[in-house]
Amino acid sequence: GAVVSQHPSWVICKSGTSVKIECRSLDFQATTMFWYRQFPKQSLMLMATSNEGSKATYEQGVEKDKFLINHASLTLSTLTVTSAHPEDSSFYICSAREVVFTYEQYFGPGTRLTVT
Amino acid sequence: TQLLEQSPQFLSIQEGENLTVYCNSSSVFSSLQWYRQEPGEGPVLLVTVVTGGEVKKLKRLTFQFGDARKDSSLHITAAQPGDTGLYLCAVYGGSQGNLIFGKGTKLSVKP
Repeated sequence: GAVVSQHPSWVICKSGTSVKIECRSLDFQATTMFWYRQFPKQSLMLMATSNEGSKATYEQGVEKDKFLINHASLTLSTLTVTSAHPEDSSFYICSAREVVFTYEQYFGPGTRLTVT
Repeated sequence: TQLLEQSPQFLSIQEGENLTVYCNSSSVFSSLQWYRQEPGEGPVLLVTVVTGGEVKKLKRLTFQFGDARKDSSLHITAAQPGDTGLYLCAVYGGSQGNLIFGKGTKLSVKP
């Protein structure tokens, strides 16, 4: 149980275009999902917290107009990177919090974004 | 300042050797988690330690939580190439109740 999926697993886009990444909790409901970013040879850094039915909370230094988050249902959160630039190339990992039994965060497999 | 300090940052050893990696902090935690992450994949939970002084074993991996619940160690016995990966410690300590990660130890086990 407690499986989180992400789609796509990798994406290449041109500079200036937008890319949407989906995060789904497959077998549990998640009122809260987290989006992390991981640059090469670095650890995971929290970008934003997505709450179902309300606005996302962004960490300091993360542009909310550039990284649009929508958490429209209890099993789906999306991250849209708008007007992507090469410096946005990174590994994006979502995590969903299970709040009924464990209150643990479960991680998706990540999405590799490359902006050319 | 980093909440969790992991050491060493990099470790390259031969198959069969033993190793220990560390996760230290000046803060006290109610629990601490260890993850392993392989390239291009999300982190996978290995263990959660909760009690000060606790020792947990997962096959050849031994995890210890410090008595004061400020630090933890991961010991691998007879390392194998399949142990290669990034080992991350993490605690629930963010403003959103989220996991915060250390910078990780990148382990390479050569056959």
